[in-house]
Amino acid sequence: DSGVTQTPKHLITATGQRVTLRCSPRSGDLSVYWYQQSLDQGLQFLIQYYNGEERAKGNILERFSAQQFPDLHSELNLSSLELGDSALYFCASSVDGTGGVIQYFGAGTRLSVL
Amino acid sequence: EDQVTQSPEALRLQEGESSSLNCSYTVSGLRGLFWYRQDPGKGPEFLFTLYSAGEEKEKERLKATLTKKESFLHITAPKPEDSATYLCAVQGGAGFQKLVFGTGTRLLVSP
Repeated sequence: DSGVTQTPKHLITATGQRVTLRCSPRSGDLSVYWYQQSLDQGLQFLIQYYNGEERAKGNILERFSAQQFPDLHSELNLSSLELGDSALYFCASSVDGTGGVIQYFGAGTRLSVL
Repeated sequence: EDQVTQSPEALRLQEGESSSLNCSYTVSGLRGLFWYRQDPGKGPEFLFTLYSAGEEKEKERLKATLTKKESFLHITAPKPEDSATYLCAVQGGAGFQKLVFGTGTRLLVSP
């Protein structure tokens, strides 16, 4: 158990809908990262938050947004969902946002868009 | 742009048959190279971090090594429970902490 908690484990929804994925980092970790894993592309970095502020952005679509709350949990919001958004979404956390620090991953949320 | 290429894509071994997985990378200012293990339907599990060429780390039947262009994950006398996908990732400079992952090597160890 990595100590990173993600809910829900599975989400099934329809195209055009909006969903929210939740992540609780390990105790004491200030930085949260979101990654998307699809069959054909592997793990892709989406966005990073550090102590409530956005730190770095990857290939995140404009339909997607995230935030980190004062209690350090994070939410990833996906809107106007398309079939191609079906994937595993992982959250990771690290003690801080410096280079070379280990990122610990949650078990993921499997999103199916029908 | 940082890039990671892993080979082979898939590897089938008999129990006890040692082998190595390769991770080739290009990165601007390596801050760390990471190995993770991922079981089906689960999140990546951290194995090793390597920071500079020449560094080696071991854990049970696994040993990771690093050069300036590639990393190897050596598996000695594997067991069926070592079956998983092994992911390699790099973290580069420029102030970003994102991990850039390869597509992984799927390892199957048969009894």
